[in-house]
Amino acid sequence: GQSLEQPSEVTAVEGAIVQINCTYQTSGFYGLSWYQQHDGGAPTFLSYNALDGLEETGRFSSFLSRSDSYGYLLLQELQMKDSASYFCAVPLGSARQLTFGSGTQLTVLP
Amino acid sequence: DAGITQSPRHKVTETGTPVTLRCHQTENHRYMYWYRQDPGHGLRLIHYSYGVKDTDKGEVSDGYSVSRSKTEDFLLTLESATSSQTSVYFCAISESTTFQGYEQYFGPGTRLTVT
Repeated sequence: GQSLEQPSEVTAVEGAIVQINCTYQTSGFYGLSWYQQHDGGAPTFLSYNALDGLEETGRFSSFLSRSDSYGYLLLQELQMKDSASYFCAVPLGSARQLTFGSGTQLTVLP
Repeated sequence: DAGITQSPRHKVTETGTPVTLRCHQTENHRYMYWYRQDPGHGLRLIHYSYGVKDTDKGEVSDGYSVSRSKTEDFLLTLESATSSQTSVYFCAISESTTFQGYEQYFGPGTRLTVT
């Protein structure tokens, strides 16, 4: 089976840096995705790492270590609007269907 | 934003009644997916489609069926709704054919309450 573990909650203050970790156990692995979801909204794609290393997109970066079955999402210069749930996910199978972690609720305090 | 709509957006139904949720896309993407989201469980895959009339089961498919007669529409049917199927349902689409870059686009969701 597949499992992805991530912390359930993280709290940080505006302007700070926060890291959300994800460890995975999957039969077969192609890459690690991150999605953001605001309350009442739909998940939206943030990043995808197929190779080891750091991918940077503006204030957000994502890291993958395949040998450690581990990845993280790094959010810099936190803003109030970053308060949301963040999900790691892996695409598996012939239709690239996603298996998600349970999500991390990020609260940004003023 | 990817052109994905879901209907209805909200529905309340009684136990034992059939319910059909519709997902419509204007992107002509090959792959379509239905997920449900419940507190503490993240998103879980119900069924998916890899082409017209080509569908398969996901992690939590019991009690659900799907159909895809056109590229743009993917229907999810609860044959006889139960209270355990109260959830938020998301449709997603993808055209990614490799694992080098992979992204799914999600619809706005349908909130279903079974009383």
